[in-house]
Amino acid sequence: AQKVTQAQTEISVVEKEDVTLDCVYETRDTTYYLFWYKQPPSGELVFLIRRNSFDEQNEISGRYSWNFQKSTSSFNFTITASQVVDSAVYFCALSENINNNDMRFGAGTRLTVKP
Amino acid sequence: GAGVSQSPRYKVAKRGQDVALRCDPISGHVSLFWYQQALGQGPEFLTYFQNEAQLDKSGLPSDRFFAERPEGSVSTLKIQRTQQEDSAVYLCAIAGGNTGELFFGEGSRLTVL
Repeated sequence: AQKVTQAQTEISVVEKEDVTLDCVYETRDTTYYLFWYKQPPSGELVFLIRRNSFDEQNEISGRYSWNFQKSTSSFNFTITASQVVDSAVYFCALSENINNNDMRFGAGTRLTVKP
Repeated sequence: GAGVSQSPRYKVAKRGQDVALRCDPISGHVSLFWYQQALGQGPEFLTYFQNEAQLDKSGLPSDRFFAERPEGSVSTLKIQRTQQEDSAVYLCAIAGGNTGELFFGEGSRLTVL
């Protein structure tokens, strides 16, 4: 079965610092899908990105960027010039099924951005 | 969250009580998921529906947990004889979008005393 590890339980940074959240995954499938979700204090999980295993191109969306490296089974997430509103718990997830009916989440990393 | 409404938002139950949690997705979504999120943990898969068919219930922790979606829209997660370890946030999600992501509701926080 697939597994997702987020080794960083909590990270605290000062506003405008860059921060990288680590995600390491395990799977025996050659086709799989990786996700990042944000869970702000309100509790709702907010989708950030989905990446399939055949697409190793790194992606940038505003201040967010993702580094997918199959060689190290990692899918790390970087926030550039962090803001207080970025404070949340961030979850990495893995699905081996295109229907996502087997999505497994990591334990999450709590990011606190201080003013 | 957009597209998924869950109720109640908060539920306090005495140990041994039965509870029912409701998920009301925006119409037209075939796939529906239930997840359990314990405090400080990531969401754990419970069960999955495609329309009214429950295709996977491998994540249900015990036979006290039961989910249904009789008409392929609203779903109910029922927990019988609640125990303290059932305390968690129960999240409902639908699959959608071109990128296949799951859209989550705000969850139902269950506290068992």
